[in-house]
Amino acid sequence: GAVVSQHPSWVICKSGTSVKIECRSLDFQATTMFWYRQFPKQSLMLMATSNEGSKATYEQGVEKDKFLINHASLTLSTLTVTSAHPEDSSFYICSARRLAGVADTQYFGPGTRLTVL
Amino acid sequence: GEDVEQSLFLSVREGDSSVINCTYTDSSSTYLYWYKQEPGAGLQLLTYIFSNMDMKQDQRLTVLLNKKDKHLSLRIADTQTGDSAIYFCAEIFNDYKLSFGAGTTVTVRA
Repeated sequence: GAVVSQHPSWVICKSGTSVKIECRSLDFQATTMFWYRQFPKQSLMLMATSNEGSKATYEQGVEKDKFLINHASLTLSTLTVTSAHPEDSSFYICSARRLAGVADTQYFGPGTRLTVL
Repeated sequence: GEDVEQSLFLSVREGDSSVINCTYTDSSSTYLYWYKQEPGAGLQLLTYIFSNMDMKQDQRLTVLLNKKDKHLSLRIADTQTGDSAIYFCAEIFNDYKLSFGAGTTVTVRA
């Protein structure tokens, strides 16, 4: 399968600071990447779709000024949580969309655990 | 997204078969997926099935799709302790986004 990495795998920060999370597709090019949030023992909630070379599209209820997404290359998307607060503490997972023939699949990164103190 | 429903828990004896069920709502979904998540990790794509298929088999995994009832199942043969994890089914909506079920926690007991 395809490989997607995330960095960092975990981060602890003070309230009010900004945190950047990187998502990389290591062995394929991804024009589309996705950012999800997962609360403990819950499913994944899609936050936004990251499109290479254009603005991200956000799901309803997700603050685009709080969660800044940049997809500057075909292998890298970044999510910046600005002015983080304790309620932003969560597990953030990215995925990269891969189109191969007729198959349309998403490959997920290992996730980033964010804890805001 | 659409609503995808799964049972929340499944306990199975090692060596037995596990069957995880899922219902979805969007009849136009072209693909349906099964992902596995181990504690503290991301999601691993296990398998997917194209909507014009009824069944797909991949080693110990068998996926059955009933489009009429919008029902998807994943059967794991000869379940092992390493199969203990949360299993998510997902459907595509709006052409490329994924909507996930709540996840089924599978516990394999000796």
